[in-house]
Amino acid sequence: GAVVSQHPSWVICKSGTSVKIECRSLDFQATTMFWYRQFPKQSLMLMATSNEGSKATYEQGVEKDKFLINHASLTLSTLTVTSAHPEDSSFYICSARGGSYGDTEAFFGQGTRLTVV
Amino acid sequence: GQNIDQPTEMTATEGAIVQINCTYQTSGFNGLFWYQQHAGEAPTFLSYNVLDGLEEKGRFSSFLSRSKGYSYLLLKELQMKDSASYLCAVMDSNYQLIWGAGTKLIIKP
Repeated sequence: GAVVSQHPSWVICKSGTSVKIECRSLDFQATTMFWYRQFPKQSLMLMATSNEGSKATYEQGVEKDKFLINHASLTLSTLTVTSAHPEDSSFYICSARGGSYGDTEAFFGQGTRLTVV
Repeated sequence: GQNIDQPTEMTATEGAIVQINCTYQTSGFNGLFWYQQHAGEAPTFLSYNVLDGLEEKGRFSSFLSRSKGYSYLLLKELQMKDSASYLCAVMDSNYQLIWGAGTKLIIKP
């Protein structure tokens, strides 16, 4: 299957600072990338969907100005958590689909565990 | 509304067989996925069903009945490493994945 690399794997930041998480598709062109958040013992919650070159579509209840998503190229999407607070501590996961793999299967990055102190 | 139901937790014995059920109600259907997720890790793909019937892949099999809105994941010859959460997800008419809450599978020796 395809490879999606997410970086960093974990990050600890101070409250009020911003954190950027990168998601790269290494061997295919990802026309669509998804960003999820997962709290302990809960399922994945879709935050936003981004298509290359256009603005991300955010799910209801997700603050656009707090979670900035950029999908500037077919292989890279970034999620920036601005002015992070302890309640933003969570496991953030990206997934990507497209290219020769079509529009059905999505491939996941390794996830980023964010802890805000 | 859209809804995916699966049991919260199941327990099985090493070497045995376990079936994890998933029922769904979604706006359209473009396939059903099963993912395995170990604690602290991202999900990994197990199977994809878009037509009715059974898909077998090694120790894992997945079944789909579109008319019943029902799927199951069958795990045979259980190993301790199979202890994980199993997520059922349905792709709706907009090609968006609707996720179930996951079933935590506990394997006992």
